[in-house]
Amino acid sequence: EAGVAQSPRYKIIEKRQSVAFWCNPISGHATLYWYQQILGQGPKLLIQFQNNGVVDDSQLPKDRFSAERLKGVDSTLKIQPAKLEDSAVYLCASTYSVTGDIQYFGAGTRLSVL
Amino acid sequence: SQQGEEDPQALSIQEGENATMNCSYKTSINNLQWYRQNSGRGLVHLILIRSNEREKHSGRLRVTLDTSKKSSSLLITASRAADTASYFCATVSNYKLTFGKGTLLTVNP
Repeated sequence: EAGVAQSPRYKIIEKRQSVAFWCNPISGHATLYWYQQILGQGPKLLIQFQNNGVVDDSQLPKDRFSAERLKGVDSTLKIQPAKLEDSAVYLCASTYSVTGDIQYFGAGTRLSVL
Repeated sequence: SQQGEEDPQALSIQEGENATMNCSYKTSINNLQWYRQNSGRGLVHLILIRSNEREKHSGRLRVTLDTSKKSSSLLITASRAADTASYFCATVSNYKLTFGKGTLLTVNP
C-alpha cells in the first residue's frame, strides 16, 4: 500500500512570498491532517479534514494560512505572505477515520523562509 | 499548546543497552501513542496504549501507562544504532493528537 505522499520535499522562499504544499493521503483514508513542526519541537496540528470538510482549524493562522481538500482526497496548504517564523517542516498525515487512532505521516516539506 | 512532555530531552547510550524515555501529560486521555522520527523524515507510529491498559509490548518495545500519575514510559531493549532517532509521545483527547517535544536518542555502535 502506498504511503502518504507530499511535495515538494524542500522549498526556499523569501519573506512575503507565497508557497503551497501538496499532500496525497493513503487511499481510503477519510481524515487528513496538516502539522507544523518547528526545529526542536513536536508537530503542532494546523488543520484537520474529514473528507472535504474542516473538523478543526483552531490553530491555523488564518490571516496567512489556508488549506483545502477538494473532492475529499488531495489537499493543499498555502502560506501567503510567508514570514521568517514560518520556517519549519510541514507534515501531512492521514487516518481511516477520525477516532484518534494511528496516524500515517508523509515525509514532510521543509520550508526555509529567508 | 503541547500536552505531553518527554524526559529526558536527549539520551546517549551504547549499542545493546536499554533506553527508557518518559512522558508526562496534564489532562485526561483516550489513548497515548509513541512515534519515532528519523532525521529529516516523517513520523512513524510505534505503539498505542489505551487509557484502560497499563502495559503493552511490541517486539523490543515496552510501554507503560499510569493514568493516576498522568505518565507513560517507553522502554527500548537491546538498542541498536538504527534506533537513533527522536521519539515523541502523543496524547489523544477528543480525537485530537497532541505531541510533546520529544527525546533525542543516540545509540553509539
